[in-house]
Amino acid sequence: EPEVTQTPSHQVTQMGQEVILRCVPISNHLYFYWYRQILGQKVEFLVSFYNNEISEKSEIFDDQFSVERPDGSNFTLKIRSTKLEDSAMYFCASSEEYNQPQHFGDGTRLSIL
Amino acid sequence: GDSVTQMEGPVTLSEEAFLTINCTYTATGYPSLFWYVQYPGEGLQLLLKATKADDKGSNKGFEATYRKETTSFHLEKGSVQVSDSAVYFCALTQGGSEKLVFGKGMKLTVNP
Repeated sequence: EPEVTQTPSHQVTQMGQEVILRCVPISNHLYFYWYRQILGQKVEFLVSFYNNEISEKSEIFDDQFSVERPDGSNFTLKIRSTKLEDSAMYFCASSEEYNQPQHFGDGTRLSIL
Repeated sequence: GDSVTQMEGPVTLSEEAFLTINCTYTATGYPSLFWYVQYPGEGLQLLLKATKADDKGSNKGFEATYRKETTSFHLEKGSVQVSDSAVYFCALTQGGSEKLVFGKGMKLTVNP
């Protein structure tokens, strides 16, 4: 069964550094998402992306964050200058069409030191 | 804003026990409701969904009924197995948005 893949599984970065989290969505899917889960808290929506542009974003998704689909297969989340509070599990998801089930990757654990 | 409240656990059951995980929601319109499951070391997987009042979602022996009058979507299974050990998340989407709003998740451990 096709799946969403995320790399790396664990990323350790110094505070203030830039980090890029990578995702390969399911190949025929058109909608892409990023969520995060801070340890002990709820899974929170960050952003949705369709047709090469952001379709919705949360208050968390400020100017420090950006998303890109650089080559038709990868979907990336960049955090420009990481803060301690960015430490979390980041999940990528994709769906085939609008209002269809979202399929999640296994997540990238981001640790900011 | 929209929100989901669910039992947090953790909960430990014996194999073949009955399972109920409570979930209630607050939403301004008529949301779609979901249960996601996360097995150890894996991502979230859709377990079942319901898109309108009185709909029942079911999958792998799990069931949940969309109750508009009580704003609830409780998950039930009649006889749990060790392989059901996982974290269970209740979630919703609101019309016009693809954003999933999650509850905090509940860790279930089933012992043989």
